[in-house]
Amino acid sequence: NAGVTQTPKFQVLKTGQSMTLQCAQDMNHEYMSWYRQDPGMGLRLIHYSVGAGITDQGEVPNGYNVSRSTTEDFPLRLLSAAPSQTSVYFCASRLRVGNEQFFGPGTRLTVL
Amino acid sequence: AQSVTQLDSQVPVFEEAPVELRCNYSSSVSVYLFWYVQYPNQGLQLLLKYLSGSTLVKGINGFEAEFNKSQTSFHLRKPSVHISDTAEYFCAVSLPRGYQKVTFGTGTKLQVIP
Repeated sequence: NAGVTQTPKFQVLKTGQSMTLQCAQDMNHEYMSWYRQDPGMGLRLIHYSVGAGITDQGEVPNGYNVSRSTTEDFPLRLLSAAPSQTSVYFCASRLRVGNEQFFGPGTRLTVL
Repeated sequence: AQSVTQLDSQVPVFEEAPVELRCNYSSSVSVYLFWYVQYPNQGLQLLLKYLSGSTLVKGINGFEAEFNKSQTSFHLRKPSVHISDTAEYFCAVSLPRGYQKVTFGTGTKLQVIP
């Protein structure tokens, strides 16, 4: 099993550009999440999904869109990048409540 | 809504000394509690979790945590740390029903001094 994979690992964008961060898991997990990690703020939930076709907002959803067309994939779209979105982004998946969350290696995004 | 507080942002400790990383949670109902570790430039991985039962939970790499309901705490301990334990540690909480969201604390950086 590859676990949770994320691409790209690094990305630099200019303000106003759009892009998609990719996340995939091969563990047949229903629950997938996107977090952003900023110094001193821990991990904050952006969006999550409890299954294909079902998504919901987390704590900091503004400026981001998600979709879940398959169990395996959960891409995160930045609609119009802003410097405030400079962060490290982690995708995670788990089978159900109480189970371990498996994290991807992260994407380090810089918005100039 | 549930929340978790990690008061110590950084904890320096000498190698082979004991360490305790503090975590307090807030919730009006029962919760699940987790500790995750993040090594430099990596994702997070689970150290241990409390769902129910025994309040002393043992995890990987010699870590353990004790759930204290009256003090709403879930402190992480290790009797003797190693250089390789240098990392950031996150406490997390979720509700025990359905596909509940996991809320993370702000993290504690453990620096082991040789």
